[in-house]
Parts: sequence; structure tokens; C-alpha cells
Amino acid sequence: KNQVEQSPQSLIILEGKNCTLQCNYTVSPFSNLRWYKQDTGRGPVSLTIMTFSENTKSNGRYTATLDADTKQSSLHITASQLSDSASYICVVTPKLTGGGNKLTFGTGTQLKVEL
Amino acid sequence: SQTIHQWPATLVQPVGSPLSLECTVEGTSNPNLYWYRQAAGRGLQLLFYSVGIGQISSEVPQNLSASRPQDRQFILSSKKLLLSDSGFYLCAWAISGRMNTEAFFGQGTRLTVV
Repeated sequence: KNQVEQSPQSLIILEGKNCTLQCNYTVSPFSNLRWYKQDTGRGPVSLTIMTFSENTKSNGRYTATLDADTKQSSLHITASQLSDSASYICVVTPKLTGGGNKLTFGTGTQLKVEL
Repeated sequence: SQTIHQWPATLVQPVGSPLSLECTVEGTSNPNLYWYRQAAGRGLQLLFYSVGIGQISSEVPQNLSASRPQDRQFILSSKKLLLSDSGFYLCAWAISGRMNTEAFFGQGTRLTVV
């Protein structure tokens, strides 16, 4: 069964600090991996997307890395802000034929940034 | 630009009552449409997806059903709600036929079955 596991489950950091979130997946064959940010009670919003051939992708203070050999990804947040408090979800798209674009979601890391 | 509308935002329903959640997409044609559910403390679980009108694939056997009566309309239904149907329901769309397309989510419906 295709799975996406994230760690830590939750994280509390002080404003201005950096943090790194981890994602391990077993989805195969693999098309791409995305990181989403989900504010409480809202739909997820995409932060980054990487294909299997990409190693890193940045979006402002967010930098995602991907190691397709070990099936691991990380999301690094620099100079955290209070608005970064949210759930961060790793999402893997399997390589499928016939359409569907079925996404496999991790359970997310709940990040809280405090003063 | 494309937009996705999902309603209602919150819903409290008694056990055994019917359910109908609606999702519509604007600004695109023939999208792939999805219904996801997020239980408390859990990840998003794919419930149904559709690649065209009248074409519904179910991922998890359950008390729910989905229909796509029009190209950009996706409906999630139940004849009799169970307590376990409580959760956060999200509708999403993606460009058809493109594997690297992003999925765009609606704002979600918080369903509480009492």
C-alpha cells in the first residue's frame, strides 16, 4: 500500500527560528511530490512541487528537498513567522495511466510558532 | 482565473439524516474532481474522484456516494449519516491529463453528526 509518513507529528518553535519537517514515502512509481500548507479549517494550499528529477525547490522562506533514491523529502522553513503556524502536508502523486491524478497525503506536521 | 466553491462551510446533522455537499468549479473545463475527508488528527483520505461527467471512482467503501451531474459540479451525498461520518470534507480539482498538475482545494465543510 502506498504510504506517506511525516515527522514530527507536531512542533513548537520560537519566532525567527528555523525548522525542518520530514516526509518519507513508499509510493512507487513516483511522479511528483508536493508540500502543502493547511491553515486550521481551510483547504490546503500548495507551497512547492518537485518531480523525481529535482533535488530542491524554494518558495520564499520555504525550501523543499527530495531524495528519490531514499524516498525522503524535507521542508525547511527559515526565519519563522507567527503566520507559519499551520499544518504542513506532504503529498505524493503516483505515476498512473488513464488520468485520475490520485494524491497520497501524509498526516501532516502541526507547526506552531510562538513569540 | 479558476475558482472552486464548496458549501456549506459548516453543517450539524443528526444521525440518520441525509447529506448533500456541493462543489462547483469555474474557469476551467473537464477538470478532474475529488472529494477528500479529514478526520480529527488524521491525514486527508481520498473518498471519490471523477475524470468526467457521470464517471465516479470510489476509493473507500462507506456510507457515502458521489455524483457528477455536470462537467464542473461534484456532489457528495449520504442517505443516512453515521456518527463516524463527522469530519472535514474537502473538494478539489486538478487539470485533467497532466500528472504534475496541482490540486486546488475548496475551503472545506466541517460536518458534525450528532
